[in-house]
Amino acid sequence: AQTVTQSQPEMSVQEAETVTLSCTYDTSESNYYLFWYKQPPSRQMILVIRQEAYKQQNATENRFSVNFQKAAKSFSLKISDSQLGDTAMYFCAFIPNTGNQFYFGTGTSLTVIP
Amino acid sequence: DAGITQSPRYKITETGRQVTLMCHQTWSHSYMFWYRQDLGHGLRLIYYSAAADITDKGEVPDGYVVSRSKTENFPLTLESATRSQTSVYFCASSVRGKRIGELFFGEGSRLTVL
Repeated sequence: AQTVTQSQPEMSVQEAETVTLSCTYDTSESNYYLFWYKQPPSRQMILVIRQEAYKQQNATENRFSVNFQKAAKSFSLKISDSQLGDTAMYFCAFIPNTGNQFYFGTGTSLTVIP
Repeated sequence: DAGITQSPRYKITETGRQVTLMCHQTWSHSYMFWYRQDLGHGLRLIYYSAAADITDKGEVPDGYVVSRSKTENFPLTLESATRSQTSVYFCASSVRGKRIGELFFGEGSRLTVL
């Protein structure tokens, strides 16, 4: 079975500080894709960053980066220089290369405090 | 406009009534998905479709029906709505090939069953 776990239901961070959101997953697949999605109060789901499991290099997108630890099945998201617009629900997601379904965690609600 | 659109955005109905949520995408993505979002559960897959006339159950399919006669449309029908189906519903699409693409989401449909 494929599962995604986000153990932090809520987090907060001061504006301009750095915060890390945790995600672990369970799979027997060797090749897969990992994603972080952001859902602001507008409810629109927005892709933040993606990681391909066969790539050892951690993905980065401007202020967003991941720490991908394949052996530990861990995929954390680091947000640097947090901005008020980063306030949102963040979902970790996973899809095996051989599968058709995306699996989502339960989300982490992040609040950036001015 | 290009993209993925859902309608209606908001719907209130009564227990036992049939409700259909519409989803239309303009990218010709082969894969389409229906998720429901509930507090504490994150996003749960209801049904997905790999192509026209091909559909498959997800994690929580009971009480729902889907069809996909055309690539661009993927309606979700609640045949006899129940209060437990009160939720926010997201349609999404994705392209598959040598590289798994990201999920593109609609804006969501908030359904309230009284």
